[in-house]
Amino acid sequence: KAGVTQTPRYLIKTRGQQVTLSCSPISGHRSVSWYQQTPGQGLQFLFEYFSETQRNKGNFPGRFSGRQFSNSRSEMNVSTLELGDSALYLCASSFSQLERETQYFGPGTRLLVL
Amino acid sequence: AQTVTQSQPEMSVQEAETVTLSCTYDTSESNYYLFWYKQPPSRQMILVIRQEAYKQQNATENRFSVNFQKAAKSFSLKISDSQLGDTAMYFCAFRSGNTGNQFYFGTGTSLTVIP
Repeated sequence: KAGVTQTPRYLIKTRGQQVTLSCSPISGHRSVSWYQQTPGQGLQFLFEYFSETQRNKGNFPGRFSGRQFSNSRSEMNVSTLELGDSALYLCASSFSQLERETQYFGPGTRLLVL
Repeated sequence: AQTVTQSQPEMSVQEAETVTLSCTYDTSESNYYLFWYKQPPSRQMILVIRQEAYKQQNATENRFSVNFQKAAKSFSLKISDSQLGDTAMYFCAFRSGNTGNQFYFGTGTSLTVIP
């Protein structure tokens, strides 16, 4: 079974631009979560989608948004990029929201904002 | 709010030796799940081991085992017979049993296995 895939793997943008990142979960997985990883803040939860609905949201500004499609693929969008948005963005999928389900991570998209 | 603390930013161990990584967490919940994830350099995060809080028995996965002390809110990872491939950043993570799929991660411990 293929793992979680994320595209693109690397991105360079300039301040003020917007960016869209994509995540394809493991086949059959319906829950997709997004995390931001930076050296200073570590791993921080952005949001989680399940069956096309946002179920949880972390403490990030409204510039960060996401959505999930009927095939469980998810996208996250960051508008009006700031230098501090430079990070590794990780996507994780799991079969359901049941407590026992483990999250499986993708390789991440490394975003550099200049 | 849940917090996860890893007090050892860096550790090293000789190949074939045993090392223990520490993790403490703070929560008022009784139903939760704990995980250790491994993130090798420039590679994706993979699950090492998981523990359900309602289970008293410590989880083990081959060379990896945990020491789960619920009352002390401690969840350490022991790696036996360390191998070069164990070199990675290790993250301790907490998942509530009540708030869906949100994971709370510690800041990580960078482990280097020395040949």
